[in-house]
Amino acid sequence: NAGVMQNPRHLVRRRGQEARLRCSPMKGHSHVYWYRQLPEEGLKFMVYLQKENIIDESGMPKERFSAEFPKEGPSILRIQQVVRGDSAAYFCASSPPVGRQETQYFGPGTRLLVL
Amino acid sequence: SQQGEEDPQALSIQEGENATMNCSYKTSINNLQWYRQNSGRGLVHLILIRSNEREKHSGRLRVTLDTSKKSSSLLITASRAADTASYFCATEGDKLIFGTGTRLQVFP
Repeated sequence: NAGVMQNPRHLVRRRGQEARLRCSPMKGHSHVYWYRQLPEEGLKFMVYLQKENIIDESGMPKERFSAEFPKEGPSILRIQQVVRGDSAAYFCASSPPVGRQETQYFGPGTRLLVL
Repeated sequence: SQQGEEDPQALSIQEGENATMNCSYKTSINNLQWYRQNSGRGLVHLILIRSNEREKHSGRLRVTLDTSKKSSSLLITASRAADTASYFCATEGDKLIFGTGTRLQVFP
């Protein structure tokens, strides 16, 4: 059973470009979470999605950031018009559909560098 | 602000020694989880302890939880060089809130 997969592992963008980060949850998992980790800091929650629904986006910046988890395909975290402060590691986690307070399994992360 | 605060921020020990890391949090929780992160890699879930549990074991790991003091500890016994990593505690079940981590270095 493959774990949570994220791609790309590393992404370099210039200021003003768009960044698209993909996350494929573990097989059988229908809950996806996105976290951001700034250097020397812990993970911060961004958004929680189920298939075709955003459940909690309280950690998402109001502008330029969006997330989706379509019926088919991976979850996408999209950052428009990136700025240097967006440089960070973005982790995706998934959990099975048995409730929100269960173990989340993390992907290896996407490291975004904005030049 | 962070919910979990790990202590110490960094810890260096010799192989075979025990490593103890502490985590304090601020609000009521349903469970507390410990994760490991190897340099440049994703997080690996180690152990989850529920608010009605006081102690839990998993291999060389022992976790305690004191809800009255809002604190938890992670003990790694008989450490190995491969245990070198950052260790994070995380609170809440859905919206995991992480501390900044303890960086553990185990020297062979």
